[in-house]
Amino acid sequence: EIVMTQSPATLSVSPGERATLSCRASQSVSSNLAWYQQRLGQAPRLLIYGASTRATGVPARFSGSGSGTEFTLTLSSLQSEDFAVYYCQQYHNWPSFGPGTKVDVK
Amino acid sequence: ELQLVESGGVVVQPGGSLRLSCAASGFTFGDYTMHWVRLAPGKGLEWVSLINWDGGGTHSSDSVKGRFTTSRDNSRDSLYLQMDSLRTEDTALYFCAKAREPRVIHNYYMDVWGKGTTVTVSS
Repeated sequence: EIVMTQSPATLSVSPGERATLSCRASQSVSSNLAWYQQRLGQAPRLLIYGASTRATGVPARFSGSGSGTEFTLTLSSLQSEDFAVYYCQQYHNWPSFGPGTKVDVK
Repeated sequence: ELQLVESGGVVVQPGGSLRLSCAASGFTFGDYTMHWVRLAPGKGLEWVSLINWDGGGTHSSDSVKGRFTTSRDNSRDSLYLQMDSLRTEDTALYFCAKAREPRVIHNYYMDVWGKGTTVTVSS
């Protein structure tokens, strides 16, 4: 089983600022990595797949990078609707999610 | 519009059984691998199970293996999760979700999600 970890657990950011979220895999997952956003009370939303490809309709302020075991999701200028929990998920083997990073208002 | 609607969540006693359903619309259901994912109170997302587009293959997480069974009826555009020997730790909001790519093995990530149905296991 591939174990995913995310850091930090909570990130406090002011609107308009940049946020950088990290995700690490216990073994290489190549580029088989997706990112999701989950707002309170809503279903998760696919943001990024293939480590760096934005899903349909996802704004350009969201970008993903990395390969192997280290990945990053960057939000270039936080909007009010971006305050949420973000999960990474590997699909190199059977799927597994990281524990999530909560992005809240500073 | 692509849509997934889960149903069947209730309060059940430990050791009990339950069947969740997920009704799909707006896409060719029989072309896509489908997943169940859950969100327990105070915890993060946990992948539960998947079933390939033709029902020919399933896989479950270790935490539910041997207790939960995933099935589908492509003639009814429906996905199911039979949950047996339920435990208090199975209490969660259960989502069904669709794979993004049709008829592809692996690439198990999800682009459309339902709103979820709540299962509470409590005496």
